[in-house]
Amino acid sequence: GENVEQHPSTLSVQEGDSAVIKCTYSDSASNYFPWYKQELGKRPQLIIDIRSNVGEKKDQRIAVTLNKTAKHFSLHITETQPEDSAVYFCAAIPTGGGADGLTFGKGTHLIIQP
Amino acid sequence: EAQVTQNPRYLITVTGKKLTVTCSQNMNHEYMSWYRQDPGLGLRQIYYSMNVEVTDKGDVPEGYKVSRKEKRNFPLILESPSPNQTSLYFCASSRDREYSPLHFGNGTRLTVT
Repeated sequence: GENVEQHPSTLSVQEGDSAVIKCTYSDSASNYFPWYKQELGKRPQLIIDIRSNVGEKKDQRIAVTLNKTAKHFSLHITETQPEDSAVYFCAAIPTGGGADGLTFGKGTHLIIQP
Repeated sequence: EAQVTQNPRYLITVTGKKLTVTCSQNMNHEYMSWYRQDPGLGLRQIYYSMNVEVTDKGDVPEGYKVSRKEKRNFPLILESPSPNQTSLYFCASSRDREYSPLHFGNGTRLTVT
């Protein structure tokens, strides 16, 4: 099955700086890569996703890049704000057959320092 | 409002006492799944269902059962809970398995003593 590695496990940045979280995956059949944000005590919620036919996708201060050859994808948050403090999960899923669900990384605790 | 509803939010029980956590979605989603979340381990899939009467094991199915008799409901059953099943559980649904985002419920924090 798919295996997703996520780094770092904790990331502390100054407010206004950029944050980058990186993930690698093992299954070359994976074609969908969502990112979820989980605030303290709340459920995970999708913030951005990317399909394998796209190399980069942006949504305001958030962007995701995908390198299919190297099997890694990254989340970029620019001009970080206090409300960006949360745990972020990357995930991957093989498509085109099979039945396994999303495989998640172990999460990154992003801390925004004032 | 489109949502996934889990109940209860908190549950404390004793070893061996059967329990059920309910999950219901109102979005007519075909795909539903259960995850458990433990510190340092992220979200791990327990069971999933592609459609009514179709269920299959995820990565950590031992000690759990599920059923999908109706499209909207996907209960998680612990026949004989043990302390190692103390965890935060999330139900989730999506339109399909592959390219649709998961919608999560609010979670059930289970403690087994």
